[in-house]
Amino acid sequence: KNEVEQSPQNLTAQEGEFITINCSYSVGISALHWLQQHPGGGIVSLFMLSSGKKKHGRLIATINIQEKHSSLHITASHPRDSAVYICAVRSSEGGDSNYQLIWGAGTKLIIKP
Amino acid sequence: EPEVTQTPSHQVTQMGQEVILRCVPISNHLYFYWYRQILGQKVEFLVSFYNNEISEKSEIFDDQFSVERPDGSNFTLKIRSTKLEDSAMYFCASRGYEQFFGPGTRLTVL
Repeated sequence: KNEVEQSPQNLTAQEGEFITINCSYSVGISALHWLQQHPGGGIVSLFMLSSGKKKHGRLIATINIQEKHSSLHITASHPRDSAVYICAVRSSEGGDSNYQLIWGAGTKLIIKP
Repeated sequence: EPEVTQTPSHQVTQMGQEVILRCVPISNHLYFYWYRQILGQKVEFLVSFYNNEISEKSEIFDDQFSVERPDGSNFTLKIRSTKLEDSAMYFCASRGYEQFFGPGTRLTVL
């Protein structure tokens, strides 16, 4: 069983639509990351969450620790948002040096003009 | 804005050859990481490094792999004798409060 599950695997939407990508995890965590990977391969960190909600521009990330679930929302989506969005969690086991991330498989998002 | 850099962006090598992938982490960060992503698969943790030594490593990180911080700024990943299955994108990351990722090195083993 995967420790980090994302849904959907693939998502195609029209420009302007509100997008939601979900992440569920089965381990205890101390932090959850949302990352973006463009076709060229580079990874950009979007958010790091340990509770509540964060907003940056048109991106909103929420986390429910009790339900072990996080969502990434994109408002007023645009073709340039097309990318793979990856959820990754930091296990709460181990000390501060243990920051290996457990990665989800990613959600491939395509926004059509 | 500070960033993690990696060189080269693409490395092509013959099976059995040694490769060194280089990373320059963000200057005041203390924790460093290597991850890899085989084409079409998830990103996988390889190794973390702190205080000039390995703090965690995955099963993937066998004796063929080594890491080093040779000069206080660079952070390198060496693969001693490359195999076809080592072909992947290799990402370096460094961490202060948050973890920042480099753009990756695409390694192709022929």
